[in-house]
Amino acid sequence: RKEVEQDPGPFNVPEGATVAFNCTYSNSASQSFFWYRQDCRKEPKLLMSVYSSGNEDGRFTAQLNRASQYISLLIRDSKLSDSATYLCVVGQNFVFGPGTRLSVLP
Amino acid sequence: DGGITQSPKYLFRKEGQNVTLSCEQNLNHDAMYWYRQDPGQGLRLIYYSQIVNDFQKGDIAEGYSVSREKKESFPLTVTSAQKNPTAFYLCASSIGGTGQEQFFGPGTRLTVL
Repeated sequence: RKEVEQDPGPFNVPEGATVAFNCTYSNSASQSFFWYRQDCRKEPKLLMSVYSSGNEDGRFTAQLNRASQYISLLIRDSKLSDSATYLCVVGQNFVFGPGTRLSVLP
Repeated sequence: DGGITQSPKYLFRKEGQNVTLSCEQNLNHDAMYWYRQDPGQGLRLIYYSQIVNDFQKGDIAEGYSVSREKKESFPLTVTSAQKNPTAFYLCASSIGGTGQEQFFGPGTRLTVL
């Protein structure tokens, strides 16, 4: 089993839809979790950290499920500008998942 | 403006040549990292440095070398020993070491002809 796994997608959703991504990890001792966004041919940019209690930033909500060893990212009211690849990052060694591609369609 | 700069943005080299990629940060971060990204794939760690004059190999260090003589600078040399060097190279930094949020430079796209 890979250390960090994500559904590669693509997820094609209409504007205004709600979409959720999961990211599973194998190391149960992991303590740090992040979501990054990467636009085509650009560098990754930090979207949000993921806290044990879950956290929300506007239309974005991140959750951590330690028992099942996954983190999730929920995007509400999708905008065209949300189209990107979403990378999860896990653990002290900052292991990146392969990313999930999202396309928001008009 | 604080940030991380990488140069050049695009780089072409002939097979068998060494090439050095620049990475500079003025964020006063202690830790710096080099990643490689291949099309449609995630980032893989090449080297990282948590303090000046010290660095450690990442998952795919073979064929690469680094130095950390100054806090602000962490150049990466892609040597002729690297079998498949064509890739997108990303430099990052973080305030402290492991588990801290990392901030990325714009990347260098290396193509070996």
